Amino acid sequence: GAGVSQSPSNKVTEKGKDVELRCDPISGHTALYWYRQSLGQGLEFLIYFQGNSAPDKSGLPSDRFSAERTGGSVSTLTIQRTQQEDSAVYLCARSLLAGGTEAFFGQGTRLTVV
Amino acid sequence: AQKVTQAQTEISVVEKEDVTLDCVYETRDTTYYLFWYKQPPSGELVFLIRRNSFDEQNEISGRYSWNFQKSTSSFNFTITASQVVDSAVYFCALSEAGRYSTLTFGKGTMLLVSP
Repeated sequence: GAGVSQSPSNKVTEKGKDVELRCDPISGHTALYWYRQSLGQGLEFLIYFQGNSAPDKSGLPSDRFSAERTGGSVSTLTIQRTQQEDSAVYLCARSLLAGGTEAFFGQGTRLTVV
Repeated sequence: AQKVTQAQTEISVVEKEDVTLDCVYETRDTTYYLFWYKQPPSGELVFLIRRNSFDEQNEISGRYSWNFQKSTSSFNFTITASQVVDSAVYFCALSEAGRYSTLTFGKGTMLLVSP
């Protein structure tokens, strides 16, 4: 939705496994965000990419989380050695520019760690 | 550091009632942007409005209106004559100006409109 495609839409994984979540925004949007939304909670900022600049990783909760963005387009969020508290909806958003422009969100990936 | 507070966790109204969702923000920047998003039960976040800090003029869009007051650091959202389809979680967000600014969200207000 809104020009952001996320896959998979749902992911169930066993505790301790690694997972990769994918975000594919429409072209031309230089800014890309990852957020996490736990059940009944607000949106927790994870990481932000802006063009070719170094990403803002200040929101990543632990070193088990990492993300990359290839060619200024597709982004992958990787969670290593998943824990049950990682269960959440992971949302990706695109923005035309940085700082101040509206962000358009994908439908998210619902991750369940069992 | 920027912060957004939505003190109302949940609001219940009956259809056709007016309802106001509160949003209070904190920022040290003089240039910043405020947003409202709607998250219906389907889960997708839908962008509703963006305002910049230099434009305090209130805005109306159909049954929706927004009241921006810098003096009280508030950006409240009013739905007039609410409808069942308005039931959703509403998020207020803030972004400071600048190339590397991120969006900071409030914790959201769940609005339940019953028939």
